[in-house]
Amino acid sequence: KQEVTQIPAALSVPEGENLVLNCSFTDSAIYNLQWFRQDPGKGLTSLLLIQSSQREQTSGRLNASLDKSSGRSTLYIAASQPGDSATYLCAVRRGSTLGRLYFGRGTQLTVWP
Amino acid sequence: DTEVTQTPKHLVMGMTNKKSLKCEQHMGHRAMYWYKQKAKKPPELMFVYSYEKLSINESVPSRFSPECPNSSLLNLHLHALQPEDSALYLCASSQVGGGTSYEQYFGPGTRLTVT
Repeated sequence: KQEVTQIPAALSVPEGENLVLNCSFTDSAIYNLQWFRQDPGKGLTSLLLIQSSQREQTSGRLNASLDKSSGRSTLYIAASQPGDSATYLCAVRRGSTLGRLYFGRGTQLTVWP
Repeated sequence: DTEVTQTPKHLVMGMTNKKSLKCEQHMGHRAMYWYKQKAKKPPELMFVYSYEKLSINESVPSRFSPECPNSSLLNLHLHALQPEDSALYLCASSQVGGGTSYEQYFGPGTRLTVT
């Protein structure tokens, strides 16, 4: 069974810091990995998707890397802002058919002014 | 348009009530999903529909009954729920078929409270 772990569980930083959120998974036979953002009581917003053949993806101040062989992904957030405060979830997809997403428990990020 | 919509936003129901949650997408996705999320926990998969047919049922109790009337709509019918079923119910959709990314797009969720 695929286990997804996210470290740290919570992070509180001042505005302007560069951040690294970590995600690890136990089974390297993944199809892709997706990073989501969730605001309290809201749905999930897809931030970045990395296919298993890719090493990284970038969108604005966000950069996600994937090392499939070691079962790790990192989400790098540059120049953090208070508006980045949210829970960040990592999810891996196993199969190329209707494989389910396996979610980590998330990192709760607070960026204070 | 990458939007998945869900109605209602909030729902309070008694244990003897029958209600339905609705989900809609117009991205041409042929896979649609229901997830349940309890507070401080990650989403848990409940059902997956592919081409309007139920493909995955994660051993969900029969008091939850999904329906996919067409490729854009997904319903979740609720009957005789228990207080522990109170949660955020999320709908998602994605493409299906070779060569697609299978990126899942989520709706805003329905906050369900069972009294």
